[in-house]
Amino acid sequence: DTQMTQSPSSLSASVGDRVTITCRASQDISHSLAWFQQRPGKAPKSLIYAASTLQSGVPSKFSGSGSGTNFTLTISSLQPEDFATYYCQHYKSYPYTFGQGTKLEIK
Amino acid sequence: QVQLQESGPGLVKPSETLSLTCTVSGGSLSGYYWTWIRQPAGKGLEWIGRIYTTGSTTYNPSLRSRLTMSIDTSKNHFSLKLTSVTAADTAVYYCARGSTVPSPWGQGTLVTVSS
Repeated sequence: DTQMTQSPSSLSASVGDRVTITCRASQDISHSLAWFQQRPGKAPKSLIYAASTLQSGVPSKFSGSGSGTNFTLTISSLQPEDFATYYCQHYKSYPYTFGQGTKLEIK
Repeated sequence: QVQLQESGPGLVKPSETLSLTCTVSGGSLSGYYWTWIRQPAGKGLEWIGRIYTTGSTTYNPSLRSRLTMSIDTSKNHFSLKLTSVTAADTAVYYCARGSTVPSPWGQGTLVTVSS
């Protein structure tokens, strides 16, 4: 299985800040990477696929980059609704696996 | 707008079978993959498997020996059965549309394995 490792596991930031979350794959997954946002008590929501393509309706404050084994999710101008847990997921081969999550908290 | 809703027993005894159904409204099952994902309390996400409208399935190898997925396009729902459950199977179970990047998801249903 391809292991996905996110860093940091948690992150404190203030409203208006810009933050970056990193996801590393244990083997080359090309651009087969998605990012999800999960608010407390809610189901995950897809933000980005193919490493850098925004899902329809997702604001441009979210951006993704990377290929191969190293990927990043950047969120600019943080708003209260952005404080959530973020997961990366690869879909290069079965089984698809998720990172352990990055909890973004208000400072 | 398509919506998904999981349903099934919230409590299952150890060694018994966990059965869940995902009912889709606002759209057809046809032409899509449908996925199950689970999340133990306070932990991360685990991809369980997917099923296509033809009934073709792909399962997580870690669960394959205990897992069966099925689909009923006439009733617009698909299902999951997991046999010989243990406490490690306690989780919120989500269904979702799509395979590689599931979207949208159901709200999730908590299944507790306990005697």
